[in-house]
Amino acid sequence: AQSVAQPEDQVNVAEGNPLTVKCTYSVSGNPYLFWYVQYPNRGLQFLLKYITGDNLVKGSYGFEAEFNKSQTSFHLKKPSALVSDSALYFCAAWTGGFKTIFGAGTRLFVKA
Amino acid sequence: DTEVTQTPKHLVMGMTNKKSLKCEQHMGHRAMYWYKQKAKKPPELMFVYSYEKLSINESVPSRFSPECPNSSLLNLHLHALQPEDSALYLCASSQDQAGGTDTQYFGPGTRLTVL
Repeated sequence: AQSVAQPEDQVNVAEGNPLTVKCTYSVSGNPYLFWYVQYPNRGLQFLLKYITGDNLVKGSYGFEAEFNKSQTSFHLKKPSALVSDSALYFCAAWTGGFKTIFGAGTRLFVKA
Repeated sequence: DTEVTQTPKHLVMGMTNKKSLKCEQHMGHRAMYWYKQKAKKPPELMFVYSYEKLSINESVPSRFSPECPNSSLLNLHLHALQPEDSALYLCASSQDQAGGTDTQYFGPGTRLTVL
């Protein structure tokens, strides 16, 4: 079965420190992978996606993600966290047709 | 304009009521989606319309009835809902490609409470 796993329910990081939110995937065919962020009582906002090419993908708000085919991972990173980055982060993978499956989500807390 | 709008923001309804959720986009996208999201959970796909035709129905109960009047509008008609249907209902849109490379743009959602 195709799946997306986010192994951490919550990540805590101090403001100014680097952050990593982990994601691993199991999909057939070429992996098309996405990261979305959700603030309280809001819809999901697109951050970045991997389709093909460079393994380091740069996205919105200073976020980037590293695609690793051998480890089937697509971890989200940011060199210096901001308090305003505190939110719920979803990794997602296309599974065919119009279907995208989402990971369970990781809550990021950035302390001032 | 990269915005998807949804109305109303909040909706409280009884189990015998009939109500509708509305979604609109003016990005020229030809695929539109309804998702249901419970608190602290990922979105679950309900329906997908492609070129105003229903492409996917994820075995959603018939008390939820989608409608796509034109390429910019998507409705979700609600009737005889149950309390467990209380959730955030998200609308999204994307270009017409089913190849997986398209980004989905989400609206802010309608917070539905069924009493």
